[in-house]
Formats: sequence, C-alpha cells, structure tokens
Amino acid sequence: NAGVTQTPKFQVLKTGQSMTLQCAQDMNHNSMYWYRQDPGMGLRLIYYSASEGTTDKGEVPNGYNVSRLNKREFSLRLESAAPSQTSVYFCASSDGGWTYNSPLHFGNGTRLTVT
Amino acid sequence: AQKITQTQPGMFVQEKEAVTLDCTYDTSDPSYGLFWYKQPSSGEMIFLIYQGSYDQQNATEGRYSLNFQKARKSANLVISASQLGDSAMYFCAMRSEMNTGFQKLVFGTGTRLLVSP
Repeated sequence: NAGVTQTPKFQVLKTGQSMTLQCAQDMNHNSMYWYRQDPGMGLRLIYYSASEGTTDKGEVPNGYNVSRLNKREFSLRLESAAPSQTSVYFCASSDGGWTYNSPLHFGNGTRLTVT
Repeated sequence: AQKITQTQPGMFVQEKEAVTLDCTYDTSDPSYGLFWYKQPSSGEMIFLIYQGSYDQQNATEGRYSLNFQKARKSANLVISASQLGDSAMYFCAMRSEMNTGFQKLVFGTGTRLLVSP
C-alpha cells in the first residue's frame, strides 16, 4: 500500500521555468491538498480539492495552478517559477474535509529550488 | 480566523524522560479537531494523535498523550519515556468548521525536539 506518492523528490528550476508536481493516492480518499513548508512558517495550504472535480484556493495560491485529474491524482503547476517558490511541497489526502476528525495522510515531499 | 501557536522553537530532553510540547489555538467554532504530526529528519509527515473538541477524555496513543484544556485553548503533546527516535520536528494542527462546510487543516510553526542519550 503506497499511500500518497509524489514525484519528483527533488527539482531545481531556473527563474521563469515551469513544472508540474505530480501526486497520486491509492487510499480512495475524496479530498486532496497541496502544502508548502518553509523554515519557521510551518505548513501553509496552497490549494485543495474537496472532491473529484472541484478545486479551491488555500492560504498561498498565487503563482500556482492545480488540476484534479481524477479521484486519485492531484497535480500542482508552477507556470513561471520564482525564487520565492523555493520550498518543500507536500501533497496530502484525507477521507474528506467534511468531518473534522479525519487526519491528513502526506506524501514524502518534493524539495524544489528555484535559482 | 483559525490560528495555531507553538511557542517553543526547540526542546531538549534526556532519554527516558517525559516531555511536553506546547500548543495553543484560536477558533470561534464550537466544533474542531486537533492533531499532532511528527516530521523526522527524513522529511515525511507522520500523524500521531487526534483530539476532538467534544471528546470527554484526553487522547492517548501509546507513549503519546494529549493534554487538552479546552477553556485555556491548549492542546499540549506529552511524550512519555522519550527515545532517541523521538528526535524530530513536531507540528500541532487544527481543523474546524468553516463557512463552506469544508474543514482545512491549519498548522503551527513546529517545535524541534532533540532527545539526548
């Protein structure tokens, strides 16, 4: 049981380049999330998808786009990378966000550096 | 708005001792859930324990327990009999009812725990 799988694990981009971070879960979860983690700031929500076919902005959505391709997959795209987007990105999933007691299950993260 | 505060950037504890990691939260919602996650140096996020706002008893999971004081809006994590493998970053997080009905998880800034032999 793989859980939440993120690719790639590491990526270096030049300013202005684009890339897509991939995420897939095999737990049949309805909800999926993208967070970024920066030193001293904890994890901040970029975008989330409450259920297949829906996506919504989180706390820090600027510079990002997402696609919920199907129930399993939720991708994060950086159209024109900036140094401020250097971070560790986590994808997560949960049974649903409609009940407050379901924990998030996280992927192992993608370490992105933008030079 | 929801907010989680972890005031201890770093904590040190000796092996086999107990340690308490502080977490206070702010929400005006009557229903909410509080979570603790562990992030070892390898980077993954591991779910440790959950406490619901209406739970009568403090949550426990093995060596982890949650000291939930609702009136003080605190949800401290207690790790008993610390082990070297407990050295990690620990995050407190909260989920509460939102106007949209969809609850998102909000994280604190974390506490780095170092367990020494």
